[in-house]
Amino acid sequence: EVQLVESGGGLVKPGGSLRLSCAASGFSFNSYSMQWVRQAPGQGLEWVSSIHSASTYIFYGDSVKGRFTISRDNAKNSLYLQMNSLRAEDTAVYYCARETANNLLHYCDYWGQGTLVTVSS
Amino acid sequence: IQMTQSPSSVSASVGDRVTITCRASQAISTSLAWYQQKPGKGPQLLIYGALSLQSGVPSRFSGSVSGTEFTLTISGLQPEDFATYYCQQDYNFPLTFGQGTRLEIK
Repeated sequence: EVQLVESGGGLVKPGGSLRLSCAASGFSFNSYSMQWVRQAPGQGLEWVSSIHSASTYIFYGDSVKGRFTISRDNAKNSLYLQMNSLRAEDTAVYYCARETANNLLHYCDYWGQGTLVTVSS
Repeated sequence: IQMTQSPSSVSASVGDRVTITCRASQAISTSLAWYQQKPGKGPQLLIYGALSLQSGVPSRFSGSVSGTEFTLTISGLQPEDFATYYCQQDYNFPLTFGQGTRLEIK
């Protein structure tokens, strides 16, 4: 069974940093590209970042470019999101998601339950 | 690429047929997915490639496309279908979602 479990969320002050983790199991993690998607309270979904299975490509949304860094450790079946210079508007539930096996397509077939990040003084 | 989803909310009864539309700001071929999200849960993939039903998803869900207009149809609403639905284009980066459609019980 595919499982994605996010952790690392919490309360952080504006300008602070936080590192999210996603533990993957039930599939060959090193064969799949992965994404982070976030959802502000009561709002819609916003794509944050994607990373290729071998980290060959990495993309970021404009709202986080230069502040967030996506990475992965295939030996540990883990995905990460380092978030720096956090702002109030980064407050959201952050979801880890697995992209489809087809490297030409980027929809996600499995999602975690999310971890809440709150940026507030 | 901007994705314009409508309506933002819709009320319907069990057994009804509902359609949700997403319009892309430019051509994206059939690179569109539909997701269902229930409160407190991560999204669930329903349709990919605009037309293909994800494994395990009931056949009452279907997708169609005409140019840059994409439609999700739910035929014969069931109580478990009341949720929020999102479209997403995966034609190119940055990936973008529609604003969402809340499907409520009438």
